[in-house]
Amino acid sequence: LAKTTQPISMDSYEGQEVNITCSHNNIATNDYITWYQQFPSQGPRFIIQGYKTKVTNEVASLFIPADRKSSTLSLPRVSLSDTAVYYCLVGDIGSPSNYQLIWGAGTKLIIKP
Amino acid sequence: EAQVTQNPRYLITVTGKKLTVTCSQNMNHEYMSWYRQDPGLGLRQIYYSMNVEVTDKGDVPEGYKVSRKEKRNFPLILESPSPNQTSLYFCASSSETSGASYEQYFGPGTRLTVT
Repeated sequence: LAKTTQPISMDSYEGQEVNITCSHNNIATNDYITWYQQFPSQGPRFIIQGYKTKVTNEVASLFIPADRKSSTLSLPRVSLSDTAVYYCLVGDIGSPSNYQLIWGAGTKLIIKP
Repeated sequence: EAQVTQNPRYLITVTGKKLTVTCSQNMNHEYMSWYRQDPGLGLRQIYYSMNVEVTDKGDVPEGYKVSRKEKRNFPLILESPSPNQTSLYFCASSSETSGASYEQYFGPGTRLTVT
């Protein structure tokens, strides 16, 4: 099972671009990389998912280098409401040997005015 | 509205008194899972189910039971709760069982206190 490592916390300011990097040195060939956002006392919410290169949706971009040993979640022009914990998750829940999911401690992002 | 519901949302109980936390989803998802979340530890998976009558242990299954008799329901059972099971519990479901679609939908959480 690929384990992930993220910074414990990060600060930024409104209007800035924020990049959160996740390390996953043991990522397997069939693993996908997924990011979730969690506000206090709420369940996590799916943000974005990717396998390689770059994925973009209406809220974020995900950059994955060729070796796939890390990934970077990019949040453009953050606002105060982006203050949350962000989780990086790696795995392939379709694999019979890898149904178990491992979540890291996440990155606490604080956006200041 | 597509959602995962959990009940109760808050529960205070005493050591040894059996309890069940219900989880239901209305999205016809095959995959369902239970997590607990404790300060500084992130989410830890308790049990998961790939489909009806198929369940398996996650990272921290000790002291918990689950069942999956119907596709939409996945109750979490604590036969003899102990104070170390005081935590915030989340149920989640997913429509796909391949890595190509890894999006899980989470319930609102159940805050359990065992005294």
